[in-house]
Amino acid sequence: GQQLNQSPQSMFIQEGEDVSMNCTSSSIFNTWLWYKQDPGEGPVLLIALYKAGELTSNGRLTAQFGITRKDSFLNISASIPSDVGIYFCAGPHAGGTSYGKLTFGQGTILTVHP
Amino acid sequence: EADIYQTPRYLVIGTGKKITLECSQTMGHDKMYWYQQDPGMELHLIHYSYGVNSTEKGDLSSESTVSRIRTEHFPLTLESARPSHTSQYLCASSPRVEQYFGPGTRLTVT
Repeated sequence: GQQLNQSPQSMFIQEGEDVSMNCTSSSIFNTWLWYKQDPGEGPVLLIALYKAGELTSNGRLTAQFGITRKDSFLNISASIPSDVGIYFCAGPHAGGTSYGKLTFGQGTILTVHP
Repeated sequence: EADIYQTPRYLVIGTGKKITLECSQTMGHDKMYWYQQDPGMELHLIHYSYGVNSTEKGDLSSESTVSRIRTEHFPLTLESARPSHTSQYLCASSPRVEQYFGPGTRLTVT
């Protein structure tokens, strides 16, 4: 089945630094989603990308839909302590009996030191 | 964005008890999902529904069952809880592709 490989698995950064993480797949995706999960809470949708090459921002977050449709990137600028959490990428299954289901990456655990 | 609610948020119960985890959404989404997640780990789909009277098992085998009698309500039931069921259970709903998650239920079976 489709798999998403997310990297890095974890990051330890200083407050104020920029962060980059990415998600790759051997399969083509038509949509890329980025979520953030705080400890003990459900994931929250940060950014949705629907078109190859698309670059979308949400405050200090910027995400890009790769031209090959097999990857996506999430950048966080000027990190702050509340950026701490787990970031997941996700994409929809190709269709057929998998219609409506998402594949999730393994997550990137972000720690921000004040 | 969906308003999606889960109760209880935390539950500690003894082995063998029957439990039902509640999930409700107010946006009229047809598609709803249940995921199981251990702390800091991946999300595993255990059940999903594309509408009333539609339920399917997900990618991860689960001893739980679900029902979808009303669009807004998608409860999950464990007939006899075991310590191996200890985990976080997340409910989600979707209007199209993107899924919106509830806050989760943290279940501990002693």
